[in-house]
Amino acid sequence: EIVLTQSPATLSLSPGERATLSCRASQSVSTYLAWYQQKPGQAPRLLIYDASNRATGIPARFSGSGSGTDFTLTISSLEPEDFAVYYCQQRSNWPYTFGQGTKLEIK
Amino acid sequence: QVQLQESGPGLVKPSQTLSLTCTVSSGSINSGTYYWSWIRQPAGKGLEWIGRIYTSGSTNYNPSLKSRVTISLDPSKNQFSLKLSSVTAADTAVYYCARGDIPFIWGQGTMVTVSS
Repeated sequence: EIVLTQSPATLSLSPGERATLSCRASQSVSTYLAWYQQKPGQAPRLLIYDASNRATGIPARFSGSGSGTDFTLTISSLEPEDFAVYYCQQRSNWPYTFGQGTKLEIK
Repeated sequence: QVQLQESGPGLVKPSQTLSLTCTVSSGSINSGTYYWSWIRQPAGKGLEWIGRIYTSGSTNYNPSLKSRVTISLDPSKNQFSLKLSSVTAADTAVYYCARGDIPFIWGQGTMVTVSS
Protein backbone atom coordinates (compact mmCIF):
# COMPACT_ATOMS: atom_id res chain seq x y z
CA GLU A 1 0.00 0.00 0.00
CA ILE A 2 1.17 3.52 -0.77
CA VAL A 3 1.97 5.54 2.34
CA LEU A 4 1.43 9.29 2.23
CA THR A 5 3.41 11.36 4.70
CA GLN A 6 2.24 14.91 5.35
CA SER A 7 4.33 17.68 6.84
CA PRO A 8 4.29 19.52 9.04
CA ALA A 9 1.87 17.84 11.45
CA THR A 10 0.80 21.26 12.70
CA LEU A 11 1.26 24.64 11.04
CA SER A 12 0.67 27.82 13.03
CA LEU A 13 0.05 30.91 10.93
CA SER A 14 -1.89 34.15 10.99
CA PRO A 15 -4.68 35.28 8.66
CA GLY A 16 -3.23 36.86 5.55
CA GLU A 17 -0.11 34.69 5.60
CA ARG A 18 0.80 32.08 2.99
CA ALA A 19 0.49 28.41 3.91
CA THR A 20 2.51 25.64 2.31
CA LEU A 21 1.57 22.03 3.11
CA SER A 22 3.53 19.03 1.89
CA CYS A 23 2.57 15.45 1.01
CA ARG A 24 5.15 12.81 0.10
CA ALA A 25 4.25 9.41 -1.34
CA SER A 26 6.18 6.20 -0.69
CA GLN A 27 6.14 5.52 -4.43
CA SER A 28 5.08 7.44 -7.48
CA VAL A 29 1.38 8.27 -7.76
CA SER A 30 1.85 10.25 -11.00
CA THR A 31 -0.59 13.13 -10.56
CA TYR A 32 -3.34 11.06 -8.97
CA LEU A 33 -3.35 13.07 -5.79
CA ALA A 34 -6.14 15.03 -4.13
CA TRP A 35 -6.36 17.43 -1.20
CA TYR A 36 -9.23 17.74 1.27
CA GLN A 37 -10.12 20.18 4.03
CA GLN A 38 -11.90 18.94 7.13
CA LYS A 39 -13.44 21.00 9.90
CA PRO A 40 -14.62 19.53 13.24
CA GLY A 41 -17.82 17.53 12.92
CA GLN A 42 -17.87 17.79 9.13
CA ALA A 43 -17.10 15.49 6.26
CA PRO A 44 -13.95 16.21 4.26
CA ARG A 45 -14.33 18.76 1.47
CA LEU A 46 -12.53 18.19 -1.82
CA LEU A 47 -10.23 21.10 -2.68
CA ILE A 48 -7.81 19.87 -5.35
CA TYR A 49 -7.83 16.78 -7.57
CA ASP A 50 -5.23 15.30 -9.90
CA ALA A 51 -2.56 17.35 -8.14
CA SER A 52 -3.45 20.77 -9.47
CA ASN A 53 -7.11 21.05 -10.45
CA ARG A 54 -9.39 23.04 -8.18
CA ALA A 55 -12.71 21.40 -7.41
CA THR A 56 -15.93 23.23 -8.20
CA GLY A 57 -16.48 26.22 -5.96
CA ILE A 58 -13.00 26.25 -4.41
CA PRO A 59 -11.47 29.74 -4.13
CA ALA A 60 -8.47 30.62 -6.26
CA ARG A 61 -6.29 31.12 -3.17
CA PHE A 62 -6.02 27.32 -3.00
CA SER A 63 -3.54 25.75 -5.42
CA GLY A 64 -1.84 22.41 -5.76
CA SER A 65 1.34 21.30 -7.45
CA GLY A 66 3.64 18.33 -7.81
CA SER A 67 3.91 14.96 -9.46
CA GLY A 68 5.47 11.60 -8.75
CA THR A 69 6.14 11.52 -5.02
CA ASP A 70 6.19 15.16 -3.88
CA PHE A 71 3.15 17.41 -3.71
CA THR A 72 2.29 20.78 -2.27
CA LEU A 73 -0.93 22.52 -1.31
CA THR A 74 -0.57 26.29 -1.14
CA ILE A 75 -3.05 28.73 0.35
CA SER A 76 -1.91 32.12 -0.88
CA SER A 77 -3.46 34.32 1.79
CA LEU A 78 -5.16 32.66 4.73
CA GLU A 79 -8.75 33.54 5.55
CA PRO A 80 -10.20 32.81 9.02
CA GLU A 81 -12.28 29.95 7.60
CA ASP A 82 -9.18 28.16 6.25
CA PHE A 83 -8.01 26.99 9.66
CA ALA A 84 -8.77 23.27 9.62
CA VAL A 85 -7.15 19.89 9.03
CA TYR A 86 -5.93 19.08 5.51
CA TYR A 87 -5.50 15.60 4.07
CA CYS A 88 -3.90 14.37 0.88
CA GLN A 89 -5.21 11.20 -0.84
CA GLN A 90 -3.86 9.05 -3.67
CA ARG A 91 -5.89 7.14 -6.24
CA SER A 92 -2.98 5.67 -8.16
CA ASN A 93 -3.06 2.23 -6.51
CA TRP A 94 -5.74 0.35 -4.61
CA PRO A 95 -6.24 0.61 -1.71
CA TYR A 96 -6.57 4.35 -1.98
CA THR A 97 -4.89 5.95 1.01
CA PHE A 98 -4.86 9.23 2.88
CA GLY A 99 -2.08 11.07 4.61
CA GLN A 100 -2.26 11.51 8.36
CA GLY A 101 -3.24 15.17 8.04
CA THR A 102 -1.81 18.62 8.68
CA LYS A 103 -3.57 20.79 11.23
CA LEU A 104 -3.53 24.44 10.22
CA GLU A 105 -4.06 26.50 13.34
CA ILE A 106 -4.27 30.20 14.09
CA LYS A 107 -1.08 31.66 15.49
CA GLN B 1 -27.27 18.17 -6.50
CA VAL B 2 -26.91 14.55 -5.42
CA GLN B 3 -26.92 14.06 -1.66
CA LEU B 4 -25.89 11.08 0.45
CA GLN B 5 -27.17 10.07 3.89
CA GLU B 6 -25.82 7.29 6.07
CA SER B 7 -28.08 5.35 8.41
CA GLY B 8 -27.76 2.43 10.78
CA PRO B 9 -27.21 1.47 14.41
CA GLY B 10 -24.94 3.72 16.41
CA LEU B 11 -23.95 0.93 18.79
CA VAL B 12 -22.78 -2.56 17.85
CA LYS B 13 -21.63 -5.30 20.21
CA PRO B 14 -18.18 -6.86 19.79
CA SER B 15 -18.08 -9.86 17.43
CA GLN B 16 -21.35 -8.79 15.76
CA THR B 17 -21.86 -7.36 12.27
CA LEU B 18 -21.97 -3.63 11.62
CA SER B 19 -24.55 -2.75 8.95
CA LEU B 20 -24.91 0.68 7.39
CA THR B 21 -26.89 2.03 4.47
CA CYS B 22 -26.24 5.06 2.32
CA THR B 23 -29.30 6.58 0.64
CA VAL B 24 -28.75 8.58 -2.54
CA SER B 25 -31.17 11.45 -3.13
CA SER B 26 -31.69 13.96 -5.94
CA GLY B 27 -30.15 11.51 -8.39
CA SER B 28 -30.09 7.87 -9.40
CA ILE B 29 -27.45 5.49 -8.14
CA ASN B 30 -27.48 4.00 -11.66
CA SER B 31 -26.95 7.26 -13.54
CA GLY B 32 -23.44 7.82 -14.75
CA THR B 33 -20.51 5.55 -14.07
CA TYR B 34 -19.44 6.10 -10.52
CA TYR B 35 -17.78 4.29 -7.70
CA TRP B 36 -19.72 4.41 -4.46
CA SER B 37 -17.45 4.21 -1.44
CA TRP B 38 -17.30 3.74 2.30
CA ILE B 39 -14.62 5.58 4.23
CA ARG B 40 -14.15 5.69 7.99
CA GLN B 41 -12.42 7.88 10.54
CA PRO B 42 -11.73 6.91 14.17
CA ALA B 43 -12.12 9.80 16.58
CA GLY B 44 -9.21 12.20 16.33
CA LYS B 45 -7.51 10.12 13.65
CA GLY B 46 -7.11 9.97 9.90
CA LEU B 47 -9.25 8.57 7.11
CA GLU B 48 -9.34 4.96 5.90
CA TRP B 49 -10.93 3.82 2.63
CA ILE B 50 -12.93 0.69 3.42
CA GLY B 51 -14.05 -0.23 -0.06
CA ARG B 52 -16.02 0.74 -3.14
CA ILE B 53 -18.62 -0.61 -5.52
CA TYR B 54 -19.03 0.32 -9.16
CA THR B 55 -22.40 0.89 -10.78
CA SER B 56 -21.87 -2.50 -12.49
CA GLY B 57 -21.69 -4.13 -9.06
CA SER B 58 -17.97 -4.92 -9.06
CA THR B 59 -16.24 -4.27 -5.76
CA ASN B 60 -12.82 -3.48 -4.32
CA TYR B 61 -12.07 -3.85 -0.63
CA ASN B 62 -9.18 -2.64 1.45
CA PRO B 63 -6.99 -5.72 2.01
CA SER B 64 -6.75 -4.85 5.70
CA LEU B 65 -10.51 -5.42 6.01
CA LYS B 66 -11.26 -7.62 3.02
CA SER B 67 -12.14 -10.78 4.93
CA ARG B 68 -14.81 -8.92 6.93
CA VAL B 69 -16.32 -6.46 4.44
CA THR B 70 -19.22 -6.67 2.02
CA ILE B 71 -20.48 -3.70 0.01
CA SER B 72 -23.63 -4.05 -2.07
CA LEU B 73 -25.92 -1.95 -4.27
CA ASP B 74 -29.71 -1.80 -4.15
CA PRO B 75 -30.78 0.27 -7.17
CA SER B 76 -34.47 -0.31 -6.41
CA LYS B 77 -34.03 1.68 -3.21
CA ASN B 78 -31.31 3.98 -4.55
CA GLN B 79 -29.04 2.77 -1.77
CA PHE B 80 -25.74 1.03 -1.19
CA SER B 81 -24.73 -0.77 1.95
CA LEU B 82 -21.79 -1.77 4.10
CA LYS B 83 -21.50 -4.87 6.24
CA LEU B 84 -18.48 -5.34 8.49
CA SER B 85 -18.38 -8.59 10.42
CA SER B 86 -16.67 -9.63 13.66
CA VAL B 87 -16.28 -6.07 14.85
CA THR B 88 -14.02 -5.01 17.70
CA ALA B 89 -13.42 -1.72 19.49
CA ALA B 90 -10.93 -0.85 16.75
CA ASP B 91 -13.87 -0.52 14.35
CA THR B 92 -15.33 2.36 16.37
CA ALA B 93 -15.36 5.32 14.00
CA VAL B 94 -17.36 7.81 12.00
CA TYR B 95 -18.40 6.06 8.80
CA TYR B 96 -18.86 8.10 5.63
CA CYS B 97 -20.36 7.15 2.31
CA ALA B 98 -19.08 9.02 -0.72
CA ARG B 99 -19.37 9.11 -4.49
CA GLY B 100 -16.48 8.71 -6.85
CA ASP B 101 -12.78 7.94 -6.85
CA ILE B 102 -12.21 11.58 -6.03
CA PRO B 103 -15.11 12.10 -3.64
CA PHE B 104 -16.69 15.49 -4.15
CA ILE B 105 -19.95 14.33 -2.62
CA TRP B 106 -19.94 12.88 0.90
CA GLY B 107 -22.57 11.94 3.42
CA GLN B 108 -22.49 13.76 6.75
CA GLY B 109 -21.10 10.68 8.47
CA THR B 110 -22.51 8.42 11.14
CA MET B 111 -20.79 7.51 14.40
CA VAL B 112 -20.62 3.80 15.17
CA THR B 113 -19.40 2.61 18.56
CA VAL B 114 -18.44 -0.99 19.20
CA SER B 115 -19.06 -1.80 22.84
CA SER B 116 -20.82 -4.36 24.97
